Amino acid sequence: GDSVTQMEGPVTLSEEAFLTINCTYTATGYPSLFWYVQYPGEGLQLLLKATKADDKGSNKGFEATYRKETTSFHLEKGSVQVSDSAVYFCALSERNTPLVFGKGTRLSVIA
Amino acid sequence: DAGVTQSPTHLIKTRGQQVTLRCSPKSGHDTVSWYQQALGQGPQFIFQYYEEEERQRGNFPDRFSGHQFPNYSSELNVNALLLGDSALYLCASSLDPGLPLYEQYFGPGTRLTVT
Repeated sequence: GDSVTQMEGPVTLSEEAFLTINCTYTATGYPSLFWYVQYPGEGLQLLLKATKADDKGSNKGFEATYRKETTSFHLEKGSVQVSDSAVYFCALSERNTPLVFGKGTRLSVIA
Repeated sequence: DAGVTQSPTHLIKTRGQQVTLRCSPKSGHDTVSWYQQALGQGPQFIFQYYEEEERQRGNFPDRFSGHQFPNYSSELNVNALLLGDSALYLCASSLDPGLPLYEQYFGPGTRLTVT
């Protein structure tokens, strides 16, 4: 079945550092790909999405590009802030099937 | 505009007991999905309700059941609780299951602890 693999955390960065969280997927078809963020004590929020190969999703300074050739959707941000501290989940969905999530990566940004 | 709300926030139950969790969808949404998030794991899909019927179901035993009411709110019931049922239970709402499922809004979750 479909699956998502994320780099394990926790990831600890200093403020203004560059962030990369790796995500690769396995799917039988051509899924849509997503990054969700979970702040402490809150539900999941959709951060960005891409629905086809070479699409770039972006939001709040975060970016991820749908790479079909490497089955990857890595999350990047050029300069992280303390407020970006959260757990980040990569997910996929194929043709309206339920979301399949990775295990999540905890990011801690220190001032 | 209220988002997705869930109750209770936290719950402690004993093995073998039954539990009911509640969810109110975002205003205007008619579809509710439930996910289980074990500690250190990503959410796993339990089932989805639309028009008061279970529309899709994940790989969960029959001990997990649900209901959707005419006002679109939903309940998740778990019978014969096991220690392994301890998790954060997330509810997500969306419009029309015919739309891409990623248009989901998640609630803050209910933390269930089974002792």
